Amino acid sequence: DTAVSQTPKYLVTQMGNDKSIKCEQNLGHDTMYWYKQDSKKFLKIMFSYNNKELIINETVPNRFSPKSPDKAHLNLHINSLELGDSAVYFCASSYKGRSYEQYFGPGTRLTVT
Amino acid sequence: ELKVEQNPLFLSMQEGKNYTIYCNYSTTSDRLYWYRQDPGKSLESLFVLLSNGAVKQEGRLMASLDTKARLSTLHITAAVHDLSATYFCASGGGADGLTFGKGTHLIIQP
Repeated sequence: DTAVSQTPKYLVTQMGNDKSIKCEQNLGHDTMYWYKQDSKKFLKIMFSYNNKELIINETVPNRFSPKSPDKAHLNLHINSLELGDSAVYFCASSYKGRSYEQYFGPGTRLTVT
Repeated sequence: ELKVEQNPLFLSMQEGKNYTIYCNYSTTSDRLYWYRQDPGKSLESLFVLLSNGAVKQEGRLMASLDTKARLSTLHITAAVHDLSATYFCASGGGADGLTFGKGTHLIIQP
């Protein structure tokens, strides 16, 4: 059983296109996140989403928008893709509580050409 | 601004040796997490440290937390090749997500 799943695993697209990455968790968690890992392996939080409350990292361009159809899903939509968007994007989830331990999806490697 | 600093960022060591990775954080959150990442893979949760003096051990890895010093350590005992990976510490959690250190790339050589 996959706890946090993402699709697609790889995504190659051209500049200017719009793309989406899907994330689903079956852990019953109430908070979901998107992280970006760049070519130097630096990991940075992009968004968190809890009970319809969206917290956005202020450094994230507004071309990125998370969409949550329900508690188990948090999709990432990216408009007008740029070369600098190339990275690995990880979805994660946690349960609101003392530990907030986060479980990560397998990642989506996005390459913009 | 929340910062998490790891050192060293790169570590090459021989099997059988002991070593420690350090993680300093500047945040009001005292939740500290250690993750492992293998090349091309996702992040695997190793330890969750929630209180001052917390110590957790799993196999050859032991993590500790000193909230007064805002310092966590990951100690490797008698390293083996299978422990080669990138190790991240992170602080925060909750609605604001995790702030990660830059990672320690660990290579263990025979």
